[in-house]
Amino acid sequence: AQSVTQPDIHITVSEGASLELRCNYSYGATPYLFWYVQSPGQGLQLLLKYFSGDTLVQGIKGFEAEFKRSQSSFNLRKPSVHWSDAAEYFCAVANDMRFGAGTRLTVKP
Amino acid sequence: EAQVTQNPRYLITVTGKKLTVTCSQNMNHEYMSWYRQDPGLGLRQIYYSMNVEVTDKGDVPEGYKVSRKEKRNFPLILESPSPNQTSLYFCASSSLGGGNEQFFGPGTRLTVL
Repeated sequence: AQSVTQPDIHITVSEGASLELRCNYSYGATPYLFWYVQSPGQGLQLLLKYFSGDTLVQGIKGFEAEFKRSQSSFNLRKPSVHWSDAAEYFCAVANDMRFGAGTRLTVKP
Repeated sequence: EAQVTQNPRYLITVTGKKLTVTCSQNMNHEYMSWYRQDPGLGLRQIYYSMNVEVTDKGDVPEGYKVSRKEKRNFPLILESPSPNQTSLYFCASSSLGGGNEQFFGPGTRLTVL
């Protein structure tokens, strides 16, 4: 069955530390992949997307993600986390508009 | 400003009392959809619409209705709400075509007592 999995429900990192949020997908063909961020009480905002080409994509707010076909993954990274990055992050596949369960990020001072 | 608006933002109601959540977009998007967000389940699609008068079920359509009489509007109707429909609801829109970004509304928090 087609699916999107975010293995980590909740992650806590210290401010200034690096961050990696995991996303795995199960689709027959190369999917269109997105990462969205949801700040508390807000709607979802697109961070970045991958369709084809360069497997390392840059997004807003200093985020990047790498598509790895061999691992069926599209992990989100940021080299240095800011307190304002505390939010919930969703990986999504555009082919049938399926979202992962989300990863909640807490940032420690 | 390009946006998706939803009303109301918060709603508390009782079981069985029909309600409508409105959704409107000003970007001339063909595609619109409704999601519900529940803890640990992410966003699940309720219904979507590819264009005016064209709607289809998503993953969790039971207990919901939609209509698309105009391109900009896509209301979500709960004919007889039940407590298991207590959730956070999002409307979204996008232009058609593979993998276009969806723009989300601010959400409607619904509580059914």
